Amino acid sequence: EPEVTQTPSHQVTQMGQEVILRCVPISNHLYFYWYRQILGQKVEFLVSFYNNEISEKSEIFDDQFSVERPDGSNFTLKIRSTKLEDSAMYFCASSRLAGVETQYFGPGTRLLVL
Amino acid sequence: KNQVEQSPQSLIILEGKNCTLQCNYTVSPFSNLRWYKQDTGRGPVSLTIMTFSENTKSNGRYTATLDADTKQSSLHITASQLSDSASYICVVSVGDYKLSFGAGTTVTVRA
Repeated sequence: EPEVTQTPSHQVTQMGQEVILRCVPISNHLYFYWYRQILGQKVEFLVSFYNNEISEKSEIFDDQFSVERPDGSNFTLKIRSTKLEDSAMYFCASSRLAGVETQYFGPGTRLLVL
Repeated sequence: KNQVEQSPQSLIILEGKNCTLQCNYTVSPFSNLRWYKQDTGRGPVSLTIMTFSENTKSNGRYTATLDADTKQSSLHITASQLSDSASYICVVSVGDYKLSFGAGTTVTVRA
């Protein structure tokens, strides 16, 4: 069964450094998403992406964040200058369509900012 | 403010028993309501999706109900198994893209 994959599974970085989290969505899906989950807290929506542009973003997704689909298979989340509070599990998800469609989540990347 | 509240926060049940989890939401505009299962350290896995016109939806031993008038949903787990131990998250779609998550109910199934 097709699944969303994410790399790396864990990343440790120094405050102020740039990180790029990578995701490979399910191949025939058109909509892509990033979520984050701070340890012990609820999952939070960051951004949705369709047709090579952001379709919606949350207030968390400020200028430090950017997303890109650099080729036909990868979907990336870049954090330009990491802060301690960016430490969290970051989940990528994809869906075939928008609306009433299942979003399939990847296993997540655990980011630790020191 | 869009909110999704779940109860109880956690529960422990014996293998083979049933349990029901509750979700109340104040989300606008409401598109659909989902229940996800999340194992520790893993990504959420979809169990059910319901639009406002659907009252109930089943997926194996999981049955979700929705009352769009009172903005309440429940997830019933029948004949629980040890593998059901996980966090169960109520998620409400706001529009076409954004999902608003509850904090989850942690279910522990004991032999």
